[in-house]
Amino acid sequence: DIQMTQSPSTLSASVGDRVTITCRASQSISFWLAWYQQKPGKAPKLLIHTASTLESGVPSRFSGSGSGTEFTLTISSLQPDDFATYYCQHYNGYSWAFGQGTKVEIK
Amino acid sequence: QVQLMQSGAEVKKPGASVKVSCKASGYTFASYGVSWVRQATGQGLEWMGWISAYNGHTNYAQKLQGRVTMTTDTSTNTAYMELRSLMSDDTAVYYCARGTGSHDYWGQGTLVTVSS
Repeated sequence: DIQMTQSPSTLSASVGDRVTITCRASQSISFWLAWYQQKPGKAPKLLIHTASTLESGVPSRFSGSGSGTEFTLTISSLQPDDFATYYCQHYNGYSWAFGQGTKVEIK
Repeated sequence: QVQLMQSGAEVKKPGASVKVSCKASGYTFASYGVSWVRQATGQGLEWMGWISAYNGHTNYAQKLQGRVTMTTDTSTNTAYMELRSLMSDDTAVYYCARGTGSHDYWGQGTLVTVSS
């Protein structure tokens, strides 16, 4: 099975900061990667799919990049609503796997 | 608008089974697959499996093989997830999510508590 590893596990940042979260796959997954945001008590929200395609309605301060085994989620200017936990997810049509999550906290 | 409405919270004893439903509306049910994802309190997301609403084909996470069954009822646009031989470690919020790749719509979650 493909394993997904996110770093860091926790990130402390201030409003306005540029934030980058990394996700690494245990083997090449091409561009089959999604990013989700989850707030406490709520279901995850899809932000980005196919590594870099922004989901409709998601603010443009969110961006994704990468292919193969290394991917990044970048928030260009952190807003108060962005403090949450972020997950990467690999999918290939027969198995899916999440990273362990990155919690973005207020510094 | 697309909605996935899940059944209510459940409390089960160890060794029992639970069946959670996910009723879809606002889209053509058979055009998308449905994944089930669970999350223990304070923990990350765990993918459990996926079912095609078109033909019922399933893929299950290896660790749950033999204990989980996912089905759909296209007459009511509902997906079901049954988990058997429940253990305390199965206590979690269970989500259904639409998608054959990434998941763009999610249910509200169903808390399943396993306790003697």
